[in-house]
Amino acid sequence: KQEVTQIPAALSVPEGENLVLNCSFTDSAIYNLQWFRQDPGKGLTSLLLIQSSQREQTSGRLNASLDKSSGRSTLYIAASQPGDSATYLCAPLIQGAQKLVFGQGTRLTINP
Amino acid sequence: SAVISQKPSRDICQRGTSLTIQCQVDSQVTMMFWYRQQPGQSLTLIATANQGSEATYESGFVIDKFPISRPNLTFSTLTVSNMSPEDSSIYLCSTRTGLENIQYFGAGTRLSVL
Repeated sequence: KQEVTQIPAALSVPEGENLVLNCSFTDSAIYNLQWFRQDPGKGLTSLLLIQSSQREQTSGRLNASLDKSSGRSTLYIAASQPGDSATYLCAPLIQGAQKLVFGQGTRLTINP
Repeated sequence: SAVISQKPSRDICQRGTSLTIQCQVDSQVTMMFWYRQQPGQSLTLIATANQGSEATYESGFVIDKFPISRPNLTFSTLTVSNMSPEDSSIYLCSTRTGLENIQYFGAGTRLSVL
């Protein structure tokens, strides 16, 4: 059974800092891994998707890496802004079962 | 990409009643998914709904409690039946499209059961 762990559970940093969110998963048999953002009481917004054959993806100030063999992914946020405050969720897409499994998320607060 | 519209966006219901949540996608899709997010928790998959076949439910979820309809390739409904306060959650509709298998989510339905 795929288990996804995100560390840290919560993070509070001043504006402008670069930061790294971590995601680990137990089963490396995945198609891809997606990072999502969720604002309080809202749905999920897809940020980045990394295919299992890729090592990283970049979108603006966001960079996600994937090491499938070790079951790890990181989301790097450069020059953080207060508008980045949200919960960030990682979710690998399991081969076979064809479903996403979510971690508990990292609640990020960027202080002005 | 896929744009997903969900309604209602929120509701407050009395225990013992049922609520039907509607999900509309702006393009034809094969699979639609229903998730539950309990307060302070992450997302849990309730079921996968394919057009023309019965929904496939995850462990811990049953059709009598969460009946799902999938009448066509752009629409699905989830009913939360005989509600209790433990059903208070955000319910999210989702689909996956394209060669990259990107998954998209609706804005969710925030349900409170009194």
